[in-house]
Amino acid sequence: AQSVTQLGSHVSVSEGALVLLRCNYSSSVPPYLFWYVQYPNQGLQLLLKYTSAATLVKGINGFEAEFKKSETSFHLTKPSAHMSDAAEYFCAVSVGGGTSYGKLTFGQGTILTVHP
Amino acid sequence: KAGVTQTPRYLIKTRGQQVTLSCSPISGHRSVSWYQQTPGQGLQFLFEYFSETQRNKGNFPGRFSGRQFSNSRSEMNVSTLELGDSALYLCASSLDGAGGSPLHFGNGTRLTVT
Repeated sequence: AQSVTQLGSHVSVSEGALVLLRCNYSSSVPPYLFWYVQYPNQGLQLLLKYTSAATLVKGINGFEAEFKKSETSFHLTKPSAHMSDAAEYFCAVSVGGGTSYGKLTFGQGTILTVHP
Repeated sequence: KAGVTQTPRYLIKTRGQQVTLSCSPISGHRSVSWYQQTPGQGLQFLFEYFSETQRNKGNFPGRFSGRQFSNSRSEMNVSTLELGDSALYLCASSLDGAGGSPLHFGNGTRLTVT
């Protein structure tokens, strides 16, 4: 079975500061990894995905994440936070095979607050 | 391309009633998945449908069921509602539901059970 741990349920940064949201995963087989963002009263929007190509993945809105197999991590970063980045962020894992059809295992989420 | 559409956006039901939620996937997507989101349990997988067949199921009681139509649209039904069923129900679609295929989510249906 797969699992995801997001370190820090709340992260607060100043506008223009580095954003770092931490995600560690557990999987017995090579994983697919995703980051999603959720704004209030909305669904989840895909930020980026890792599917075993390049370990450094660039996503939308200036976000990127690096897959580190040795650390089983997939941390999300953005060099300079904007007020519009305030939202809840979810890391998710899936694997190949029939038991994984349509199934993502999500972390508990990290709420990002951006101060002016 | 239109995104995933879920209707209705909000529902209020009474314990013991049943409810049906609807989802229209992105055009060309044949896999539809359903998730329950609550503050306590987070995002939990309910089930996945592809070509009108349920291929995968999460750990939910039989009161939760779904179906998919030939045009890939999907419905989810919850019978004998309980207070604990109050949640945001999210539908997601993908091309084929395979592990590497990203899911595209709708804005959800917020169900309140009183």
